[in-house]
Amino acid sequence: DVKVTQSSRYLVKRTGEKVFLECVQDMDHENMFWYRQDPGLGLRLIYFSYDVKMKEKGDIPEGYSVSREKKERFSLILESASTNQTSMYLCASRKPGTGVSHQPQHFGDGTRLSIL
Amino acid sequence: GQNIDQPTEMTATEGAIVQINCTYQTSGFNGLFWYQQHAGEAPTFLSYNVLDGLEEKGRFSSFLSRSKGYSYLLLKELQMKDSASYLCAVRDRNNDMRFGAGTRLTVKP
Repeated sequence: DVKVTQSSRYLVKRTGEKVFLECVQDMDHENMFWYRQDPGLGLRLIYFSYDVKMKEKGDIPEGYSVSREKKERFSLILESASTNQTSMYLCASRKPGTGVSHQPQHFGDGTRLSIL
Repeated sequence: GQNIDQPTEMTATEGAIVQINCTYQTSGFNGLFWYQQHAGEAPTFLSYNVLDGLEEKGRFSSFLSRSKGYSYLLLKELQMKDSASYLCAVRDRNNDMRFGAGTRLTVKP
């Protein structure tokens, strides 16, 4: 079974702090993703990466950056945390498919981040 | 714009059948996924449809009509453990996943 591990289940930080959320997967997946999940809005894509050193902006990248130095690790960085970044953050990984791909994404358990 | 719409909440009785609908408008279509998410846990993959019709997997079935931009997830013989949120997601032409807000299903005895 694919295992996607997020470093913290719960995190409380202060406005203006630099925050690091870590995600590690153990199935040698090329593709990794960071989402935030808010009530009534569903999962929204922040950033994704299709390979080491590669990163692409998702739908809501503002205020975030990412790092993919190793294939198994994808880090989300909040450069200067703000209260509107209080949310549930979910990391996912996926084996890339070809053509019409049916490879599902595998999710971590999430990090519930509160910014005070 | 891109929209994935599904009901916010549903309630059903243990042992019954429930159908959760999903309609979508996306930039292209490369498959539709259903995920189950229990409170405080990761979403887990349930089913995938890329061609029209019904895909059955045990108590769960998923249906797709591409011409109507419509899918449903059918849960039979409901159990208390089926209480969870169910997420509909569409992969668009760029292979980006677009998620609905989720349907929170409550199963009552």
